[in-house]
Amino acid sequence: AQKVTQAQTEISVVEKEDVTLDCVYETRDTTYYLFWYKQPPSGELVFLIRRNSFDEQNEISGRYSWNFQKSTSSFNFTITASQVVDSAVYFCALSEASGTYKYIFGTGTRLKVLA
Amino acid sequence: NAGVTQTPKFQVLKTGQSMTLQCAQDMNHEYMSWYRQDPGMGLRLIHYSVGAGITDQGEVPNGYNVSRSTTEDFPLRLLSAAPSQTSVYFCASSYSGHNYGYTFGSGTRLTVV
Repeated sequence: AQKVTQAQTEISVVEKEDVTLDCVYETRDTTYYLFWYKQPPSGELVFLIRRNSFDEQNEISGRYSWNFQKSTSSFNFTITASQVVDSAVYFCALSEASGTYKYIFGTGTRLKVLA
Repeated sequence: NAGVTQTPKFQVLKTGQSMTLQCAQDMNHEYMSWYRQDPGMGLRLIHYSVGAGITDQGEVPNGYNVSRSTTEDFPLRLLSAAPSQTSVYFCASSYSGHNYGYTFGSGTRLTVV
C-alpha cells in the first residue's frame, strides 16, 4: 500500500534561515511519482514539483530545491533564505503508476517564517 | 482561463439535508478528483474520474456520489449531510491523470450542524 509521512507537523524559522521539509514515502511499485504542493494562508493548493521514480537528480528552482533519494524513500524539500511569503502548509504526495489512479497526500507541514 | 471553478465557497447545512458541490474546469483535462481536507489528516480522496462517464471511489467515498456527464463538470453530491462531513472540499483536475500535477479549485468550506 502507498503511504506518505510528513513527520514535521509545524516548523518555525526566522527569515533568511534555510529550512528542510521532510517527506518519506512507501510504495511497492517501481514506477511512481512524487509531488510537492504549497497551501498558503489564502487556502488554495499550488503545485510545485513532480518527480518520477527513475529520475533521482536533485532539482533547484530559485530558492527551492528538492532532494530525492530512493535508498531512503525520501523526497525532501529545502527552502534557502526563507521569506515571510514562504509561510504555508506544504504537502508531499505520491502516486503509483500501476492500477488505481490514486494520489495519496501526506498530512502536511506548516511552515512559519518569522520576520 | 478560469482553471478549476468551485461553487459555492461556503455552505452551512443542517443534518440530513442534501446538496451538490459544483466543479467545472476549462482546460480539457480528462482527470478530475474530489478531496476533503480535515485538520491533521491532509487531503483524502473521495471520488475521482478518468474521463466522461467513468468514475471510481477513493479512500472516503461513503455519503458522497459523483457523476461525470461531460469533460468539464464533476459535481459532488452529499446525499444526507452529517456533522462528520464538515470539512473543506477541493476539486482538482489534471491533464493526464495521477502522474501529473493537479490544478486545484479554491475550495468549498462546508459546515454541517
